Amino acid sequence: QKEVEQNSGPLSVPEGAIASLNCTYSDRVSQSFFWYRQYSGKSPELIMSIYSNGDKEDGRFTAQLNKASQYVSLLIRDSQPSDSATYLCAVNRVYSGGGADGLTFGKGTHLIIQP
Amino acid sequence: GAVVSQHPSRVICKSGTSVKIECRSLDFQATTMFWYRQFPKQSLMLMATSNEGSKATYEQGVEKDKFLINHASLTLSTLTVTSAHPEDSSFYICSARWQGAGTEAFFGQGTRLTVV
Repeated sequence: QKEVEQNSGPLSVPEGAIASLNCTYSDRVSQSFFWYRQYSGKSPELIMSIYSNGDKEDGRFTAQLNKASQYVSLLIRDSQPSDSATYLCAVNRVYSGGGADGLTFGKGTHLIIQP
Repeated sequence: GAVVSQHPSRVICKSGTSVKIECRSLDFQATTMFWYRQFPKQSLMLMATSNEGSKATYEQGVEKDKFLINHASLTLSTLTVTSAHPEDSSFYICSARWQGAGTEAFFGQGTRLTVV
């Protein structure tokens, strides 16, 4: 049973501060890790993908992966009110030949950026 | 970027009827499409995976005779909810990827199904 765990929140962060979102996963053979942002009633929007241990930065976003601890996180610097949304962590497996499973999602963390 | 279009965005149907949802990849050939379902305040749950020209693979607990998936071309997959009941009311979302695109898949806008 593949599981992805996230704290549901809400996580309240002052505007301009760093928001830190965490995720753990149970399937050790997971190889691809994603953070999605979902606004209410909308489809998920990809924020970051990460495949190797360490940090990956893209603008105000930094994803961190630690496969030994089965842990992935997302940092949002200089948080803005527009960052208020539910953040979904997702993982999947990759197969030789380029195929991949569908994503296993966590339940999401509801982030609130306070002006 | 890769665009996936899903239609309709909202649909209301009567209990016992069938509803078809379309998922189209507009600027790439989707070798694999995924169908997800999201109930209120829950996360997305994978329902099935379909590869072009093959039968869909359903996740445990998803009734293949109720949720018919067709992936007859590299740009179109359809999900038909047969004999819909109020408990099928949910947000249905497709995603699509192509061979060699890595593991990233691109999501459609989703379809809000309400069965009355």
